[in-house]
Amino acid sequence: EIVLTQSPGTLSLSPGERVTLSCRASQSVRRDYVGWYQQKPGQAPRLLIYDASKRATGTPERFSGSGSETEFTLTINGLAPEDFAVYYCQQYGNSLYTFGQGTKLEIK
Amino acid sequence: QVHLVQSGTDVNSPGASVKISCKASGYTFTDYFLHWVRQAPGQGLEWMGIINPKSGRTTYAQKFRGRITITSDTSTDTVFMDLSSLTADDTAIFYCARGGLQPVSWGYYFESWGQGTLVTVAS
Repeated sequence: EIVLTQSPGTLSLSPGERVTLSCRASQSVRRDYVGWYQQKPGQAPRLLIYDASKRATGTPERFSGSGSETEFTLTINGLAPEDFAVYYCQQYGNSLYTFGQGTKLEIK
Repeated sequence: QVHLVQSGTDVNSPGASVKISCKASGYTFTDYFLHWVRQAPGQGLEWMGIINPKSGRTTYAQKFRGRITITSDTSTDTVFMDLSSLTADDTAIFYCARGGLQPVSWGYYFESWGQGTLVTVAS
């Protein structure tokens, strides 16, 4: 099983700031099959980024993903008020899927 | 438009079993894998398992093997997740999510999710 470690656990930021979230895999993820999800309280997760860097339908351009093999990042350029939420990375490069433990973005 | 509609809130006693349903619509049910994900209160997402609705073939996360069973009913386009030997640690929201096109069980993200089913385990 591939273990995904996200950092940091919590970030306190202000609207308009740029933020980069990290996701590190315990082994190389086949074909960089990593996704990023946003979850708000009381809601199901929402796919933002897939295949490490592709924006899902409806994902604002301020969200971007990058990385390869074991190191992946999600960057938000100019935080909007609605972006304060929990973000999870996921690997789907093998038949045993795994998620990271999440990074919470909170308003400073 | 893909819709995944799950069964409602459930309350169970320790040691009991729970069976949650996920009814799919808006696509050809047997073409896509379906997954189950658990989220304990205030905690992260845990992948539980996957089913090929056409063949019924399943793969489960090591953590749940032995007490999880995922099945499908192609006559009603519904997938079921049965979890036995419940403990208080199983109190959680359970989500179904659509995976990728057959036949490859890996390599696809979760674009569509059910609304979640809250399961409470308490004596």
